[in-house]
Amino acid sequence: DQQVKQNSPSLSVQEGRISILNCDYTNSMFDYFLWYKKYPAEGPTFLISISSIKDKNEDGRFTVFLNKSAKHLSLHIVPSQPGDSAVYFCAASDGNTDKLIFGTGTRLQVFP
Amino acid sequence: GAVVSQHPSWVICKSGTSVKIECRSLDFQATTMFWYRQFPKQSLMLMATSNEGSKATYEQGVEKDKFLINHASLTLSTLTVTSAHPEDSSFYICSASLLARTDTQYFGPGTRLTVL
Repeated sequence: DQQVKQNSPSLSVQEGRISILNCDYTNSMFDYFLWYKKYPAEGPTFLISISSIKDKNEDGRFTVFLNKSAKHLSLHIVPSQPGDSAVYFCAASDGNTDKLIFGTGTRLQVFP
Repeated sequence: GAVVSQHPSWVICKSGTSVKIECRSLDFQATTMFWYRQFPKQSLMLMATSNEGSKATYEQGVEKDKFLINHASLTLSTLTVTSAHPEDSSFYICSASLLARTDTQYFGPGTRLTVL
């Protein structure tokens, strides 16, 4: 049972445009969400997070939106840069444990 | 800050041997460390949660006698793959949570294990 889903395995965006990565979850107990960026053969790098008490969190070019009623979150990257090309994972936790449940990842490719 | 290291970064071993992987938080103390494995083009799958000074909590389907976890201090956790087999070949990644911010995990660079 996949509690965190990223339905788009890949996304291709032109440099300078907006990249939107989506994530859906099924567990209503999740109250904290994170996005990680991962290059091949490396560990994930933390990007940005959001608590369920908020619906938006922004950090530079990265903005995460949370729609609790739809159990949906998204990561916006604007403007997209070639260096953003990587696999992006969303993750969720329920606050009672430290466990993170990861989505399956979306491979973002930003082309010039 | 919040740097996590893993050693070795890659290892090749013969079937039947045991391999130990170390995970260290370099500039912070971690109450909890996590071990994940990742198969090619798949998500990170949590194997176990490790708390300093206590037994690790394994996820369903993970053999605790095969994947031995020791969390001896607030900065070191080890994963030992015992009697490794080719199907254990994978990318193993650890992460650590800061004492004060348990929801954000910081990941190590991973260890590529290849069992011949």
